[in-house]
Amino acid sequence: QVQVVESGGDVVQPGRSLRLSCAASGFDFSSFGMEWVRQAPGKGLEWVGIISYDAIYKYYSESVKGRFTISRDNSKNTLYLQMNSLRAEDTAMYYCAKVSSPGTLVTSNFDYWGQGTLVAVSS
Amino acid sequence: QSVLTQPPSVSGTPGQRVTISCSGSGSNIGSNTVNWYQQLPGAAPKLLIYSNYQRPSGVPGRFSGSKSGTSASLAISGLQSEDEADYYCAAWDDSLNAVLFGGGTRLTAL
Repeated sequence: QVQVVESGGDVVQPGRSLRLSCAASGFDFSSFGMEWVRQAPGKGLEWVGIISYDAIYKYYSESVKGRFTISRDNSKNTLYLQMNSLRAEDTAMYYCAKVSSPGTLVTSNFDYWGQGTLVAVSS
Repeated sequence: QSVLTQPPSVSGTPGQRVTISCSGSGSNIGSNTVNWYQQLPGAAPKLLIYSNYQRPSGVPGRFSGSKSGTSASLAISGLQSEDEADYYCAAWDDSLNAVLFGGGTRLTAL
């Protein structure tokens, strides 16, 4: 069955870096775009960014552009989120999710979500 | 502040029909399909409605979606206590090249 499992969340100091991973299984990872979404404690969903199936195209929210980088290793069925210059407002649960249709990038249709990994930015 | 506007909360009694609205603009809902997500307490979001009105396998028929112009709606017929959750609409925005989520609506079964 399709599974995506996030890992790498931690407590980090402001200004530091952290890399999250998302291990995918049960589907042809190399054919699907993937996204990251975060949710601050008690708040709504906030889109972070999306990467195409071949990693050629990437889009980011304005709030993370220039600080966060999404990448993927299709040989390892793994998605990554490199987070630099972390701020207190980056504190959130981070979810990865699979794009529903193969080869699609311009979409908000995500059919499988992980359980999330928690990032806390605090001194 | 979200560009897709949802009411913060709605409520209804078991068996009642409730609707949740999602208002956007021409660059998002007006140009692209709307998807709805359900987030039960303490859980990850789950795709509830895709492509404006389609239901994924396993989603009960009491959930339905619609879209008109720059607005969309989620309707729940025959409300059940297990439907208590947060609901989010989402759409791609062509001007921002980004996914937009609504601010979320908390549904309470009275």
